[in-house]
Amino acid sequence: GESVGLHLPTLSVQEGDNSIINCAYSNSASDYFIWYKQESGKGPQFIIDIRSNMDKRQGQRVTVLLNKTVKHLSLQIAATQPGDSAVYFCAERDNQGGKLIFGQGTELSVKP
Amino acid sequence: ETGVTQTPRHLVMGMTNKKSLKCEQHLGHNAMYWYKQSAKKPLELMFVYNFKEQTENNSVPSRFSPECPNSSHLFLHLHTLQPEDSALYLCASSQPDRGLDQPQHFGDGTRLSIL
Repeated sequence: GESVGLHLPTLSVQEGDNSIINCAYSNSASDYFIWYKQESGKGPQFIIDIRSNMDKRQGQRVTVLLNKTVKHLSLQIAATQPGDSAVYFCAERDNQGGKLIFGQGTELSVKP
Repeated sequence: ETGVTQTPRHLVMGMTNKKSLKCEQHLGHNAMYWYKQSAKKPLELMFVYNFKEQTENNSVPSRFSPECPNSSHLFLHLHTLQPEDSALYLCASSQPDRGLDQPQHFGDGTRLSIL
């Protein structure tokens, strides 16, 4: 079946630096992508989404980039803060049934 | 305040017990979902309800029985569970009829441990 995967299971950054979390997806027909943040003991929290007809979308301190040619999605966090420490998931939507397919997650650790 | 509330937050039960997980959403959504989250694995979709009707059963064993009495409430009835069923069970909701690109909003989950 289709799957979404992340390149690195863990990422450690210094407070104040920018973070880049990557995601590879396999279904070229997926038309919608979402990034979620999951803190310890909590459920996934929506961060930002992007449609397949866009290459880039910006939010507050976060930017999502979509490269459909290589089926790659990334989440950039500017000026990373300790509160950004969490597991980050990407998800793609199957354009046939509308189901979300989740990646395994990348654990981001921010060092003070 | 997530808008999606799950109870209980933690549950320990024996394999012969019967228990239920509850989910309530205050977002006015019409679709609700159950997911299973195991350590080091992606979220696994279990069930989907749209307007109280089950539209997806992702080959879930019959020892998990969902119930959706209305668009705001979702239950997962558990009986005769196995140790491998220990996981975090997440409920989510969304509003698909507002357009295709609507993210799912999650509760904080029930941490289930089977003895």
